[in-house]
Amino acid sequence: EVQLVQSGAEVKKPGESLKISCKGSGYNFTNSWIGWVRQMPGKGLEWMGIIYPGDSDTRYSPSFQGQVTISADKSISTAYLQWSGLMPSDTAIYYCARLRAGGPATPPNWFDPWGQGTLVTVSS
Amino acid sequence: EIVLTQSPATLSLSPGERATLSCRASQSVGIYLGWYQQKPGQAPRLLIYDASNRATGIPARFSGRGSGTDFTLTISSLEPEDCAVYYCQQRSNWPGITFGPGTKVDIK
Repeated sequence: EVQLVQSGAEVKKPGESLKISCKGSGYNFTNSWIGWVRQMPGKGLEWMGIIYPGDSDTRYSPSFQGQVTISADKSISTAYLQWSGLMPSDTAIYYCARLRAGGPATPPNWFDPWGQGTLVTVSS
Repeated sequence: EIVLTQSPATLSLSPGERATLSCRASQSVGIYLGWYQQKPGQAPRLLIYDASNRATGIPARFSGRGSGTDFTLTISSLEPEDCAVYYCQQRSNWPGITFGPGTKVDIK
């Protein structure tokens, strides 16, 4: 079974740094893009960026470029999302998800499956 | 950036009724449109990919159609467990990915 398991909920103060994780299993982690998606309280889904663990090729949404860092350690099948200086507006649930193709010879367009989500709360 | 618009914002129907959800793109995305279901307190789940293909394990009452800029998700006969928010997502110009704002489906 393809599965993504995320690290637990975090409570942080403004200005603190944070790194959350997403561990994949049941598939070849190295050969599939992994994406991160933000969901602010009561709001919709926002794509943040994707990474290809095989060579760490990383692409960011323009809205999140420079705000977060996405990385991966293929040796332990784990992707990461990190902040160097959290703000209260970073309070949200963060999901990781594998990007997969719809069919042969098509690009990886679809998030499937998703991790369970990591709630990040930033408050003084 | 391609913008996705979903309508209606909320849909309130009774069990057994047919639900029709719309997603419109600001420019053509070909068939690269997917649909996700998010139940309260849960992570999203892929329902439909490439506009009309059901993902593994998705019941046949869910169907998608469309191409270009106009897409539809239909739930042929609503079940109580279909109460959720439904999001469309496009990926037509690598690596740009956008989600629609969602349609909330309430079961009366």
